[in-house]
Amino acid sequence: QKEVEQNSGPLSVPEGAIASLNCTYSDRGSQSFFWYRQYSGKSPELIMFIYSNGDKEDGRFTAQLNKASQYVSLLIRDSQPSDSATYLCAGGLPNAGKSTFGDGTTLTVKP
Amino acid sequence: NAGVTQTPKFRILKIGQSMTLQCTQDMNHNYMYWYRQDPGMGLKLIYYSVGAGITDKGEVPNGYNVSRSTTEDFPLRLELAAPSQTSVYFCASSYSGNRVGSGYTFGSGTRLTVV
Repeated sequence: QKEVEQNSGPLSVPEGAIASLNCTYSDRGSQSFFWYRQYSGKSPELIMFIYSNGDKEDGRFTAQLNKASQYVSLLIRDSQPSDSATYLCAGGLPNAGKSTFGDGTTLTVKP
Repeated sequence: NAGVTQTPKFRILKIGQSMTLQCTQDMNHNYMYWYRQDPGMGLKLIYYSVGAGITDKGEVPNGYNVSRSTTEDFPLRLELAAPSQTSVYFCASSYSGNRVGSGYTFGSGTRLTVV
């Protein structure tokens, strides 16, 4: 089992819909989780991090963490075509020095 | 504030040639990383460093070497280039690795083709 796994996608939603991106992790000691967005041909950029159980909201983005189920998700409300990108989930043990990345989920928002 | 700067942006190498990919950051981050990303694939960690003078292997270190003599710089050396090393290379830095509130800042990448 991979340390961090993402639903394989690709995911396609209509403009204005909610996009839900999911990630599971295998190591219960993992504490912090990060979501990165990567546009085609560009480098990843950090969009959110979460370390407490529950929800964390930032504008149209909500990150959710459920440590009991070892599950992390990213919700994008009112999806826009500009949200079309690959979303990478990452996390790991706090003293590992490095995050483990999932393979990414490609989201397409259709006008 | 430049963040993470990678050079060159593009390079074509012939099989057997060597080169160094440069990476420098101006955020005083202790942690630095080198990843490669093949087309349509995820990020694979090559090497990382938790501070000047300290480096460690990632999941795909073969064919590469690194050094970290200063906090700012983390060059990646390719020896005897092979077609399998054709990829996009990303350098990244982080204030505290996986710890709360951290996260990576990535450079813009180097697109390398070995022919």
